[in-house]
Amino acid sequence: AQKITQTQPGMFVQEKEAVTLDCTYDTSDPSYGLFWYKQPSSGEMIFLIYQGSYDQQNATEGRYSLNFQKARKSANLVISASQLGDSAMYFCAMREMNNNDMRFGAGTRLTVKP
Amino acid sequence: DAMVIQNPRYQVTQFGKPVTLSCSQTLNHNVMYWYQQKSSQAPKLLFHYYDKDFNNEADTPDNFQSRRPNTSFCFLDIRSPGLGDAAMYLCATSAYRSGGEKLFFGSGTQLSVL
Repeated sequence: AQKITQTQPGMFVQEKEAVTLDCTYDTSDPSYGLFWYKQPSSGEMIFLIYQGSYDQQNATEGRYSLNFQKARKSANLVISASQLGDSAMYFCAMREMNNNDMRFGAGTRLTVKP
Repeated sequence: DAMVIQNPRYQVTQFGKPVTLSCSQTLNHNVMYWYQQKSSQAPKLLFHYYDKDFNNEADTPDNFQSRRPNTSFCFLDIRSPGLGDAAMYLCATSAYRSGGEKLFFGSGTQLSVL
C-alpha cells in the first residue's frame, strides 16, 4: 500500500526567503506520480506541481520546485521568495499508475512572517 | 471557466437526519471523487466513480453512499449523520484513472452535525 509521510507539522519562514517542505513516500509500484497541493484557510485544494516517477529532471512551476530524489523516495517542495500569501497547509500526495487513488500526507502548515 | 462546484459551502444537519451534499463539474472528466477531511488532517478518500462504475474504499462506513446520475453531477448521501461525521467534504475530478493525472478540487462543503 502506498504511504506518504510529511514529518513537519508546522514551518515558519521569513518573507522573501526560501523554504523546503519535506515529503517521503513508499510504494512498490515503479510507476507513480507525486503531487503537491496548497490548501488555504478557505479550504480549496490548489494544485501546485507534479513529478512523474520516470521524469529525469526536477519539476519547476514558477516559485515552486520539487526536489525529487527517487532512490531516497523523497519529493520535497521548495518555495522560493516566500510571500505572505503562501501561508497555508501544504499536502504531498501520490498516485500509483495501477491504482486510481490519490493518497495524501498529513500536511505541513506553513506560516510566512513579514 | 471550467470548474468543480460544490453546494452548499456550509451545511448544518441534526444528529441522525439524512443529508446530501452535491458536486458538479464542467470539465467533462470521467472520474469523480469524494474525500472527507477532518480538522488539521489529510483528506481521506471515501469512494470514487469512474464513469458509472462505483468504487468504495474498504473502510468507508455504510452510512455513506454516493450517486452519479450523469457525467456532470455526483452526490454524497449521509444516511444517519453522527457527531463524528462533522468534517469538510471535498469533491474532486480527474480526466482519467492514471498516476499522472492531477485532481481538480471543489471548494468543499463544511458539514456540522448538531
